[in-house]
Amino acid sequence: DGGITQSPKYLFRKEGQNVTLSCEQNLNHDAMYWYRQDPGQGLRLIYYSQIVNDFQKGDIAEGYSVSREKKESFPLTVTSAQKNPTAFYLCASSMGASSPLHFGNGTRLTVT
Amino acid sequence: GESVGLHLPTLSVQEGDNSIINCAYSNSASDYFIWYKQESGKGPQFIIDIRSNMDKRQGQRVTVLLNKTVKHLSLQIAATQPGDSAVYFCAEIPNTNAGKSTFGDGTTLTVKP
Repeated sequence: DGGITQSPKYLFRKEGQNVTLSCEQNLNHDAMYWYRQDPGQGLRLIYYSQIVNDFQKGDIAEGYSVSREKKESFPLTVTSAQKNPTAFYLCASSMGASSPLHFGNGTRLTVT
Repeated sequence: GESVGLHLPTLSVQEGDNSIINCAYSNSASDYFIWYKQESGKGPQFIIDIRSNMDKRQGQRVTVLLNKTVKHLSLQIAATQPGDSAVYFCAEIPNTNAGKSTFGDGTTLTVKP
């Protein structure tokens, strides 16, 4: 089955710790994205990558970092600099710029 | 003049009725629009899309209408079923910023049996 896998589904961390969220896709898509979703709100773009070894900041990149060393993988690190990290994080991929996004089932991060 | 549907954060309908979910978009340069459905605890799923050279597109039980004059998008669901209960998001992709979808706030649809 082709799709996007995000792990873990739930993640708990103490304030001040960095944490890395995993995202893997086997759809052979060039583009990958990270979105943040807060309760009752839409999705906000954190980072995106249109090709391996290249990525761009989205609208709310501060306190986050990414890498794109392989086509299949686009991990997101939530650093201690992110002031309000508790949220639902969604990874997505697409064939190209004007194509629908395919989403994973998200990671719910709680920082206390 | 033509009325523009208001975006409502929640919508409750009776099973079997038709549902209309509205979305206003902001960027005149957007030329591709997508509706997604998000069930609780899951990622959004693609429902239907439309490009700016069209004003209507139909799927199996869904229809998307695009009014570029007033920058308005709507999703119509025919014969709404309990399985349609979810949050629905519209997304716009501008031709000047390839790949960066901008999402609306979402509408929570509840279908009453």
